[in-house]
Amino acid sequence: EIVLTQSPGTLSLSPGERATLSCRASQRVSGSNLAWYQQKRGQAPKLLMFAASTRAAGIPDRFSGSGSGTDFTLTIDRLEPEDCAVYYCQQYSNSPETFGGGTQVEI
Amino acid sequence: QVQLQESGPGLVKPSQTLSLMCIVSGGSISSGGYYWSWIRQHPETGLEWIGYIYYSGSTYYNPSLKSRVTISIDTSKSQFSLRMTSMTAADTAIYYCARRNLGTFDVWGQGTMVTVSS
Repeated sequence: EIVLTQSPGTLSLSPGERATLSCRASQRVSGSNLAWYQQKRGQAPKLLMFAASTRAAGIPDRFSGSGSGTDFTLTIDRLEPEDCAVYYCQQYSNSPETFGGGTQVEI
Repeated sequence: QVQLQESGPGLVKPSQTLSLMCIVSGGSISSGGYYWSWIRQHPETGLEWIGYIYYSGSTYYNPSLKSRVTISIDTSKSQFSLRMTSMTAADTAIYYCARRNLGTFDVWGQGTMVTVSS
């Protein structure tokens, strides 16, 4: 199975700054079949991005995704207090579909 | 707007079987293209895909859990279910039902905490 490693584990930033989150796969993720989720405390994960760089419905353009192959990045521009959450990547290139361990963003 | 709601026991004894249900509202469970899924979240090890089912009844399971898991669907009641046997403390987690759409999980239930303890 594809193992996804996210870094850093925790990111502490100030409002207005940019957050850069990394997701590295143990083998190639074909077709850029990678998604990002945001999970706020006490809530279910929420889909942010799919196909590595396509925002899900209603997601502000402060969120952007990039990458291919084994290295993917989620960027959050102009951080807002509401962006405080854990962010997970997920690959759906190979079965079983797997998730990364998450990056905690603190603001 | 599709909504999912899990239900089931919060406490299961070791070696017993877990049964959870997910009710789908605001949309048809028989809509083509969607797979109805179960995912769990361990406090320590994160998110784990358990399996999913199509409205036709076709199922797909995580190989690591396949021997213990059964997912079924009742389209007439707009619900699908998870059955997991031989529960141990390692199965203590939040269990989510979710809609799988082209590989991503775009709608989630609120989750239900399941604790395995005697």
